[in-house]
Amino acid sequence: GQNIDQPTEMTATEGAIVQINCTYQTSGFNGLFWYQQHAGEAPTFLSYNVLDGLEEKGRFSSFLSRSKGYSYLLLKELQMKDSASYLCAPMDSNYQLIWGAGTKLIIKP
Amino acid sequence: NAGVTQTPKFQVLKTGQSMTLQCAQDMNHEYMSWYRQDPGMGLRLIHYSVGAGITDQGEVPNGYNVSRSTTEDFPLRLLSAAPSQTSVYFCASSYSTDTYTGELFFGEGSRLTVL
Repeated sequence: GQNIDQPTEMTATEGAIVQINCTYQTSGFNGLFWYQQHAGEAPTFLSYNVLDGLEEKGRFSSFLSRSKGYSYLLLKELQMKDSASYLCAPMDSNYQLIWGAGTKLIIKP
Repeated sequence: NAGVTQTPKFQVLKTGQSMTLQCAQDMNHEYMSWYRQDPGMGLRLIHYSVGAGITDQGEVPNGYNVSRSTTEDFPLRLLSAAPSQTSVYFCASSYSTDTYTGELFFGEGSRLTVL
């Protein structure tokens, strides 16, 4: 079966760095997305990885290891506005997204 | 540029009632989809469409119908509402190639309660 595993909740301090891990098992693989979702709002796109390695985009970076079925999202210089849920979503062989339940990130001053 | 527009934002229904959630996008996206989001669970795909006149079932299609008569609109119909359909519903669209659906643009969501 298809499965996504990411921590339910994480807490970090403003200005610090946090890494949100995601492990996945899918039927085939066509890349992995990360989305951000603030409470009560819609998800918004953060990153897409299809090849192994690190993709950097400002304060956010995303890493992928296809052989390990593993990805992480790295957030640097945390700000209070980064308090949100972060959704990991690999794409299977049918190009359908398989969504994790998300990691709720709480930023403390 | 409005993006993806969903209506209504909130709705309360009684068991057995029917209703339609509207979704419209102005980005000329071929791919459109409906998801539901429940606490502690990932987004679950209900139905999707890769172009006008083409629809297909997702992971949880039972109790829902869709149609795609134009590129812009993709309404979701609840045929006979049940309490299990209480959820937040998101419409999402993306540009589409043959092999990559691209990042999804989501509507603001429709919060449905079935009593």
